Amino acid sequence: KQEVTQIPAALSVPEGENLVLNCSFTDSAIYNLQWFRQDPGKGLTSLLLIQSSQREQTSGRLNASLDKSSGRSTLYIAASQPGDSATYLCAVGGTGGFKTIFGAGTRLFVKA
Amino acid sequence: DTAVSQTPKYLVTQMGNDKSIKCEQNLGHDTMYWYKQDSKKFLKIMFSYNNKELIINETVPNRFSPKSPDKAHLNLHINSLELGDSAVYFCASSQEQGKSWASGANVLTFGAGSRLTVL
Repeated sequence: KQEVTQIPAALSVPEGENLVLNCSFTDSAIYNLQWFRQDPGKGLTSLLLIQSSQREQTSGRLNASLDKSSGRSTLYIAASQPGDSATYLCAVGGTGGFKTIFGAGTRLFVKA
Repeated sequence: DTAVSQTPKYLVTQMGNDKSIKCEQNLGHDTMYWYKQDSKKFLKIMFSYNNKELIINETVPNRFSPKSPDKAHLNLHINSLELGDSAVYFCASSQEQGKSWASGANVLTFGAGSRLTVL
């Protein structure tokens, strides 16, 4: 059974700092991995999707990496801004069908 | 134009009542989902439908009954509501697995959520 863990659970950094959010999963037979952002009281916004055959994806100040063999993904945020404050969720898509398993998220607070 | 829309956004009701949440997507996706996010913010899949067929049922109590009249709609009906049903329910959709991933297949697109409070 796939389990997804995100570390740290919460993170507070000063503005401008580069930071890394970690995601680990127990079953390496994945279809894809997706990083989401959730603002308080809002829905989820997809940030990056990495297919199982890919190693990384980049969008603006965000870079996500995937290492299936070790069951890890990282989300790198460069030059963090207060507007980046949100909960970041890692979601692993399984090959067996349409089930995507979410981690518990990392709550990020970027101080101005 | 909202890609995945859910109604209502807020729902407050008494224990024992029956309620429904509706979801519609205009993305032409083949697959739709219901997720539940509890008070600890943990997001857990409940159901998945692909082209109106139930694909995933994650041991959800049978008080919860999803219905997909067509592939653009997936509604969730809940009977005999209990306190523990209080949560935010998210609808999502994705393109069918197996289609060209270059087109963004399997990117999950979420609705804004429906916050259910059972008193």
